[in-house]
Amino acid sequence: AQSVTQPDIHITVSEGASLELRCNYSYGATPYLFWYVQSPGQGLQLLLKYFSGDTLVQGIKGFEAEFKRSQSSFNLRKPSVHWSDAAEYFCAVAGMDSNYQLIWGAGTKLIIKP
Amino acid sequence: ETGVTQSPTHLIKTRGQQVTLRCSSQSGHNTVSWYQQALGQGPQFIFQYYREEENGRGNFPPRFSGLQFPNYSSELNVNALELDDSALYLCASSRAAGGPYNEQFFGPGTRLTVL
Repeated sequence: AQSVTQPDIHITVSEGASLELRCNYSYGATPYLFWYVQSPGQGLQLLLKYFSGDTLVQGIKGFEAEFKRSQSSFNLRKPSVHWSDAAEYFCAVAGMDSNYQLIWGAGTKLIIKP
Repeated sequence: ETGVTQSPTHLIKTRGQQVTLRCSSQSGHNTVSWYQQALGQGPQFIFQYYREEENGRGNFPPRFSGLQFPNYSSELNVNALELDDSALYLCASSRAAGGPYNEQFFGPGTRLTVL
């Protein structure tokens, strides 16, 4: 079955500290992987995506993610978080098995400590 | 360029009632997808419309139905509302249907509460 797991419901990080949000997926076909951010009252915004090629992908707002096929993971990282990064982050997967419709994780809420 | 807009922002209904939610797609986009996001969950795909035809449906009962208009705006209709229908309903538009390459742009959502 196709699924996405984000093991951490909440993560608290001090401003300026590094961040890693975890994402594991279960998907039969070649997966296309995405990270979105959702701020209160705003729509989901695409941070980055992986389709093929270099397994380290760069996104907007200083985020990057690394695709590790052997671990079925696509973790999101940022070297130094800012208070404005406080939001909910969603990992999603798509591919032939889901007719390219996005399958989403349950999200990780990022809390920034001053 | 105008982004995706949704109306209303919030809505309160009672069990058994019917509701219509609206979405205006981004300029140049001919595909609209609807998602349900329950509290504390990720979005769940309801269905997609491409050029006024349904183009894929998730695991939702027939009382969830939709329309897409010639200007590519869209409606989501839910009949016989149940308490579990309480959620944030998200609309996303894209330039075309099919494949992961067509980035979806999301509206801010409509918060539906069923009492």
